[in-house]
Amino acid sequence: AQKVTQAQTEISVVEKEDVTLDCVYETRDTTYYLFWYKQPPSGELVFLIRRNSFDEQNEISGRYSWNFQKSTSSFNFTITASQVVDSAVYFCALRGTSGTYKYIFGTGTRLKVLA
Amino acid sequence: GAVVSQHPSRVICKSGTSVKIECRSLDFQATTMFWYRQFPKQSLMLMATSNEGSKATYEQGVEKDKFLINHASLTLSTLTVTSAHPEDSSFYICSAFSRQGANEQFFGPGTRLTVL
Repeated sequence: AQKVTQAQTEISVVEKEDVTLDCVYETRDTTYYLFWYKQPPSGELVFLIRRNSFDEQNEISGRYSWNFQKSTSSFNFTITASQVVDSAVYFCALRGTSGTYKYIFGTGTRLKVLA
Repeated sequence: GAVVSQHPSRVICKSGTSVKIECRSLDFQATTMFWYRQFPKQSLMLMATSNEGSKATYEQGVEKDKFLINHASLTLSTLTVTSAHPEDSSFYICSAFSRQGANEQFFGPGTRLTVL
């Protein structure tokens, strides 16, 4: 069975603080993809990153960085120097490669960045 | 590229009526489209997988007679909520899967359905 766990339901930080959103996944597939999406109040999902299971390099994009640790089945997301505009719900998702192209979404982490 | 649109973005209807939501892939062909439902402060829940030219595959617990899905072309899938009731009020999101290049789902902006 495949599963994505985002244990942090809600996080509040003050602007300019760094914040890490945790994502732990379970899958039996040897090849799989991991994703992060941002959902602002408007509701539209904004794609942030896709990572395949063979690429364990960490990635940095501006203030965003991702730490993929296959050994602990985690794909954590860090926002450096958070801004009010970062306030949103963030979803981690998993897609295996056996059978369907379904995504398994975590329950999401609501991030509130306070001015 | 890889733009997915949904129409309407927001709809309010009376209980007992049917509502159709369209999902279009604007610049690519999508052999597979997905329909999700999201209740307030909850995650996306997959309702069904729609393959062009064939019947949709529904997730467990989703009533296929209530949520009719048609995927008649490679760029259009429709979700019809039949005899809608207030408990069907939700945010419905579609996605289109592209096997070329990115090999990932591209999400529409969502449709907010309110049933009075």
